[in-house]
Amino acid sequence: AQTVTQSQPEMSVQEAETVTLSCTYDTSESDYYLFWYKQPPSRQMILVIRQEAYKQQNATENRFSVNFQKAAKSFSLKISDSQLGDAAMYFCAYRSAVIFGTLTFGKGTMLLVSP
Amino acid sequence: EAGVAQSPRYKIIEKRQSVAFWCNPISGHATLYWYQQILGQGPKLLIQFQNNGVVDDSQLPKDRFSAERLKGVDSTLKIQPAKLEDSAVYLCASSRPSGRAYTGELFFGEGSRLTVL
Repeated sequence: AQTVTQSQPEMSVQEAETVTLSCTYDTSESDYYLFWYKQPPSRQMILVIRQEAYKQQNATENRFSVNFQKAAKSFSLKISDSQLGDAAMYFCAYRSAVIFGTLTFGKGTMLLVSP
Repeated sequence: EAGVAQSPRYKIIEKRQSVAFWCNPISGHATLYWYQQILGQGPKLLIQFQNNGVVDDSQLPKDRFSAERLKGVDSTLKIQPAKLEDSAVYLCASSRPSGRAYTGELFFGEGSRLTVL
């Protein structure tokens, strides 16, 4: 079974600065997806960024980018120019590329953003 | 495109009572998931449906939890009888099947928050 580990229960950053959230995973598969989801307090979980394991290029979505190290099974999220609205719980998640693959989440990292 | 709809948003019950949650996935999404999210933790998969068939229910406490997806669209998750440790947010999500043709992304509803007293 796949496992996802987020070793940082909480991170803090000041507005306009950069923060990196860490994630490692364990799998024996070669084809899979990795995701970062954001969950603001009492609000809906939404996708931040997605990475396909067969793609070597790191995914980027505006201020959000990832550092995907397949051999090391590492998938970190970098948030540049942090904004107050970025404050939320961030979950790293793994999904097998097999047709009925389930999504496995880490325990999450709470990101605090201060003015 | 309408998102994943869930109801009720909040429910408070006494232990040993029963409760049911409803989910309507995004149109065209054949795969539906129920996750349990206990406060401060990551979501844990309870059950996954492909159309109206069960793909994975290995973590569903079958002595008290049940779920069905009639006609491959809406789904209902029931808890009977509820225990204190069932207090959590129950998230419904839907997706297209994983695989090269699709992104693999899950779309989540707003969740149903259950408090068991």
